[in-house]
Amino acid sequence: GDSVTQMEGPVTLSEEAFLTINCTYTATGYPSLFWYVQYPGEGLQLLLKATKADDKGSNKGFEATYRKETTSFHLEKGSVQVSDSAVYFCALRNPRNSGGSNYKLTFGKGTLLTVNP
Amino acid sequence: DGGITQSPKYLFRKEGQNVTLSCEQNLNHDAMYWYRQDPGQGLRLIYYSQIVNDFQKGDIAEGYSVSREKKESFPLTVTSAQKNPTAFYLCASSTRVPETQYFGPGTRLLVL
Repeated sequence: GDSVTQMEGPVTLSEEAFLTINCTYTATGYPSLFWYVQYPGEGLQLLLKATKADDKGSNKGFEATYRKETTSFHLEKGSVQVSDSAVYFCALRNPRNSGGSNYKLTFGKGTLLTVNP
Repeated sequence: DGGITQSPKYLFRKEGQNVTLSCEQNLNHDAMYWYRQDPGQGLRLIYYSQIVNDFQKGDIAEGYSVSREKKESFPLTVTSAQKNPTAFYLCASSTRVPETQYFGPGTRLLVL
């Protein structure tokens, strides 16, 4: 079945440091890929997405490129801020799944990022 | 403003009690979903509904029930059969072509 593997956290950085959170996936066909962010005590917010190979999703200084050859969708930001402290989830949706299961999002376990001033 | 609301923010359940979590959306989305989040486990799908009066089990439906009588509403009941209900519950919605799911703020359920 489909699966998503994220780098284990927690990740602790100083303000203005470079961020990479690794995400790899296993799925048949061409899934859509997502990064969601969860701030403390809140629900998930869509951060960015990519729907086909070589697409780059970007938002709020974060970027991720859909790499079909390495089945990866790593999240990067050039200069993190204290306000970026949150849990980040990588997820996929596989339109090849039959019936209603193509609605399903498969999530990684999340990576906690803490940015210190 | 368009969005998804969940209530209550915190809910306490006694042993043997059924409790119902509310989820309402005004995004005019056809599809709605319930996820359970446990620490270090990511999110797992409980139930989803593609259209009014129809719903399907997700990966961990045992001990839960849902209804979808209105497009805007998708309440989740945690029954007494759910032996480990303590978790953070998230509701989401999407269009019929579900490219992006939008999430509510969540309800934290605790057992007394």
